[in-house]
Amino acid sequence: DSGVTQTPKHLITATGQRVTLRCSPRSGDLSVYWYQQSLDQGLQFLIQYYNGEERAKGNILERFSAQQFPDLHSELNLSSLELGDSALYFCASSVGQGREKLFFGSGTQLSVL
Amino acid sequence: EDQVTQSPEALRLQEGESSSLNCSYTVSGLRGLFWYRQDPGKGPEFLFTLYSAGEEKEKERLKATLTKKESFLHITAPKPEDSATYLCAVTTMIKAAGNKLTFGGGTRVLVKP
Repeated sequence: DSGVTQTPKHLITATGQRVTLRCSPRSGDLSVYWYQQSLDQGLQFLIQYYNGEERAKGNILERFSAQQFPDLHSELNLSSLELGDSALYFCASSVGQGREKLFFGSGTQLSVL
Repeated sequence: EDQVTQSPEALRLQEGESSSLNCSYTVSGLRGLFWYRQDPGKGPEFLFTLYSAGEEKEKERLKATLTKKESFLHITAPKPEDSATYLCAVTTMIKAAGNKLTFGGGTRVLVKP
C-alpha cells in the first residue's frame, strides 16, 4: 500500500458527461501529480500541484482541470467526455518538488461508453 | 522534449534465466532516472533512483545501472514473481517542468517456472 488513496476505483459514464476523480496524498506529502495511462500512449503526465499551487503542466486537455485543496487532497475534473478519454488515471504524491520518488495510487479506471 | 525509449517491449524468460532491460533517454539536463515496477491493474511501484553516470543500485535480484545515455535493469536468476512491466522514467533540471516524470513505454517481463 503506497499510502495514496484514489476514488472511485472504477467509473463508467457516457460521452459528453463530466466526472470528478479524487486523490488523497500520503500523509506529509505536499506535491500531487496526475497521470493518464492508456494502451497506446503509456503513462502521460497531466499536471502537478505543490501545496495548492499549480507547479507544472503536461499535455492536459482544456476539457480537463484539476485543483489541490488546503487539506492537500486533489481532484481531477474531466468534462465533455469522449470515447478516447477512457483510460487509467493515476494520482501520485511526493514530499516536495525536488527529485524525490513519487508514490502512486492504485488508479481510477474510466470507461466512456 | 524529453524522450525515453525502452527495449525490448516484451521479454519471456525461464526461471533462473538472467537478462537485461534497456532504457535510452534524451533529456535537457538529467536530474534523476527512476525505475518502477507495475503489476496489472495497479499503480507503479518505486524500485530505484539513479542520479549520475556510473551509479549502480541493487535490490534482491534487480540491479540498475546508469550511463550518460542509457540505463540498464539487470534481472539475475528471475523468479515467476518478478513478472511485471518495468517502467523507466526521467526528470529534468528545467525548473518549469516541476518534478514531472517522463516515462518510457515499459518492458513487459514474463518469467515462466
